[in-house]
Amino acid sequence: AQSVTQLGSHVSVSEGALVLLRCNYSSSVPPYLFWYVQYPNQGLQLLLKYTTGATLVKGINGFEAEFKKSETSFHLTKPSAHMSDAAEYFCAVNRRGGGADGLTFGKGTHLIIQP
Amino acid sequence: DTGVSQDPRHKITKRGQNVTFRCDPISEHNRLYWYRQTLGQGPEFLTYFQNEAQLEKSRLLSDRFSAERPKGSFSTLEIQRTEQGDSAMYLCASSLGSYNEQFFGPGTRLTVL
Repeated sequence: AQSVTQLGSHVSVSEGALVLLRCNYSSSVPPYLFWYVQYPNQGLQLLLKYTTGATLVKGINGFEAEFKKSETSFHLTKPSAHMSDAAEYFCAVNRRGGGADGLTFGKGTHLIIQP
Repeated sequence: DTGVSQDPRHKITKRGQNVTFRCDPISEHNRLYWYRQTLGQGPEFLTYFQNEAQLEKSRLLSDRFSAERPKGSFSTLEIQRTEQGDSAMYLCASSLGSYNEQFFGPGTRLTVL
């Protein structure tokens, strides 16, 4: 079964500093990996995804993530944090190989931006 | 394209009552998903449809839960005889194709008193 582990339920960074949110996955099939962001009382918005091909994936709002198969990781980074980045971030993996049959999510990381 | 919409946004009910939620997916999307999210947790998969066919139900979906997508467009999720443990955010998502990029609605927050 697929699973996702997000290290750190809360991450605090200063405005302008590097953002690093960690995600490790377990998958018995080639993984499709996703990062979603959730603002208070809103649904989830896709930041970026990895399916196949280039392992460095760029997303919206200056975020990017690198798929590292050997480390089973898909960490999310942003070079310079902005106050508007404060939100909950979820890493997810496809439940089964390739097909569109739903996602398994991590527990989320709450990103706090200090002024 | 107005995105995925859900109705109502909030629902407060008493234990034992039945509730029904509606999800309207993005119009051309053939797949529709329901998830449940409790406080401090990520969304958990409940069930999904391809067109009008319900292809899978999670073991989280007890017999009190039923979902339909009668014409392959909107979907409803009904919970019968609600329990306090059903209190959660219920999220709907839709997608098109096999790359599993799901677009989420704003959710329905259920509170069972």
